[in-house]
Amino acid sequence: QKEVEQDPGPLSVPEGAIVSLNCTYSNSAFQYFMWYRQYSRKGPELLMYTYSSGNKEDGRFTAQVDKSSKYISLFIRDSQPSDSATYLCAMNSGNTPLVFGKGTRLSVIA
Amino acid sequence: KAGVTQTPRYLIKTRGQQVTLSCSPISGHRSVSWYQQTPGQGLQFLFEYFSETQRNKGNFPGRFSGRQFSNSRSEMNVSTLELGDSALYLCASSPFGERIGELFFGEGSRLTVL
Repeated sequence: QKEVEQDPGPLSVPEGAIVSLNCTYSNSAFQYFMWYRQYSRKGPELLMYTYSSGNKEDGRFTAQVDKSSKYISLFIRDSQPSDSATYLCAMNSGNTPLVFGKGTRLSVIA
Repeated sequence: KAGVTQTPRYLIKTRGQQVTLSCSPISGHRSVSWYQQTPGQGLQFLFEYFSETQRNKGNFPGRFSGRQFSNSRSEMNVSTLELGDSALYLCASSPFGERIGELFFGEGSRLTVL
């Protein structure tokens, strides 16, 4: 079992839809949870950062962490064509290397 | 502030050759990490350097090596290239001691091995 599992998609939604992206993980030591966004031919950029369990909201983006279920989610409200990218979940347990999911490719159709 | 700069952006090599990739971190960032990204495996950690010392190493063969210089710039080298080494190699820097896990990535060096 891989440490971090993420459905690769692709996921295609109409503009304005709510998007839900998810990852599961197996290492209970993970404490720091992140979502990175990667546009085509670019490097990943940090989108959301969460420590331990709970929710965090930033504009149209909400990150949720459920450590009891080892499950994290990213919600995108009112999705826009500019949100079309690959979304990577990432996590670690402190000063250890980030472990990434394989990424979910999202297309938002105008 | 300039971002992470990686050179070269694209390169083509043949099996058995070696390659050196360069990374200049964001000014003031002392930690540099390298990742290999492929469609099949996603992002896989290669190594991390801080103050010229390797702090962590991923599960890659010894053909993959790296180093960091006193100005925090980093290089990685892959010797005896194999077809499977074709990938996007991403360098990321971080301001060590701040938000753990927050990495600032460059645009990558895309290596094709023929």
